[in-house]
Amino acid sequence: QKEVEQNSGPLSVPEGAIASLNCTYSDRGSQSFFWYRQYSGKSPELIMFIYSNGDKEDGRFTAQLNKASQYVSLLIRDSQPSDSATYLCAVNNNFNKFYFGSGTKLNVKP
Amino acid sequence: DAGITQSPRHKVTETGTPVTLRCHQTENHRYMYWYRQDPGHGLRLIHYSYGVKDTDKGEVSDGYSVSRSKTEDFLLTLESATSSQTSVYFCAISESNGYTFGSGTRLTVV
Repeated sequence: QKEVEQNSGPLSVPEGAIASLNCTYSDRGSQSFFWYRQYSGKSPELIMFIYSNGDKEDGRFTAQLNKASQYVSLLIRDSQPSDSATYLCAVNNNFNKFYFGSGTKLNVKP
Repeated sequence: DAGITQSPRHKVTETGTPVTLRCHQTENHRYMYWYRQDPGHGLRLIHYSYGVKDTDKGEVSDGYSVSRSKTEDFLLTLESATSSQTSVYFCAISESNGYTFGSGTRLTVV
């Protein structure tokens, strides 16, 4: 079983819609959770991190964490074509090692 | 800007030759990491370092070695390159709120 699971997509949404990206993880001891965005041919860049159960909002992005269900999600409101990228979920077990999902490709159609 | 650079950016090498990739950081971070990224597998940890001369294996370390003789430099060596090591290699440093990645090295083994 992989440490972090994501649907590879592609997930297609129209411009202006809400995109919902999901991630599950296997280690119940995981402490912190991260979402990275990666444009084609570029390196991953951090969008958000979340440590506690519940929601965390930053502009158009909301991260949601449910530790009981071992589930993390990222919502992107008012999706724009520039949001089209691969989104990587990462989980940290507090030993300074991150485990990454294989990513979900998001396409936002104008 | 975490001041992390990778070299070379692109390299083509022949099967059986040794190859060294370099990661350089300017901000005295203790933890440094080497990942490879392949379609369908996401980012997989090769080796990491938690200080000068302190390194440990990741999940896909076979065929790779690392060295860290100075805080700022973390070297990844493919002892005898194989076609299965064709990949994009990312170096990362650990900051308080997640990883920051270098720009990546695209390695092709022919």
